[in-house]
Amino acid sequence: DAGVTQSPTHLIKTRGQQVTLRCSPKSGHDTVSWYQQALGQGPQFIFQYYEEEERQRGNFPDRFSGHQFPNYSSELNVNALLLGDSALYLCASSSRVRTGSTDTQYFGPGTRLTVL
Amino acid sequence: DAKTTQPNSMESNEEEPVHLPCNHSTISGTDYIHWYRQLPSQGPEYVIHGLTSNVNNRMASLAIAEDRKSSTLILHRATLRDAAVYYCIPDQYSGAGSYQLTFGKGTKLSVIP
Repeated sequence: DAGVTQSPTHLIKTRGQQVTLRCSPKSGHDTVSWYQQALGQGPQFIFQYYEEEERQRGNFPDRFSGHQFPNYSSELNVNALLLGDSALYLCASSSRVRTGSTDTQYFGPGTRLTVL
Repeated sequence: DAKTTQPNSMESNEEEPVHLPCNHSTISGTDYIHWYRQLPSQGPEYVIHGLTSNVNNRMASLAIAEDRKSSTLILHRATLRDAAVYYCIPDQYSGAGSYQLTFGKGTKLSVIP
């Protein structure tokens, strides 16, 4: 089991550019969540995808968008990059849960984005 | 959203037990309490979770207060590989089978050889 994989590992962009980050979930998982982690801070929830639709969204602008494919893999797109978008972007996968239960999120190693 | 309070940092000697506290006084009755940790240069990894009673797994033990307003993660014998930031997270069930994790700043655990 390869676990959650993300690509690329590192990325350098300039202000105003667009970037696409990719995530393959753990085998058997159908839900993908994306998090942004600034240096020295805890991860912040961006959004979550299930059945190819965005199901939940955190406090992030519309410049952040995503997509989920039929094989459950996912992309995170960020348009009009700002210096403040420099961060570690983490993907986590999980399975849908029933009301009153919970599940574990498995995180990938992240993509380190630097905006110059 | 349930708020959590954790010490910014803690130290432990190698091979000694470590008790990492967390206060979550506003937790709702159906929120599970999760603990994740993040080793340097890695994504967070799951440690343990519980609802009302104490829980054990191969990595750690979780002691949950009877009123559920606090919990303690117990590492029985700290090793150098346990040096990480530990996050206490009440999950937020949003309906329709989804929930999200709200991370705070966590507790940075240093292990002294």
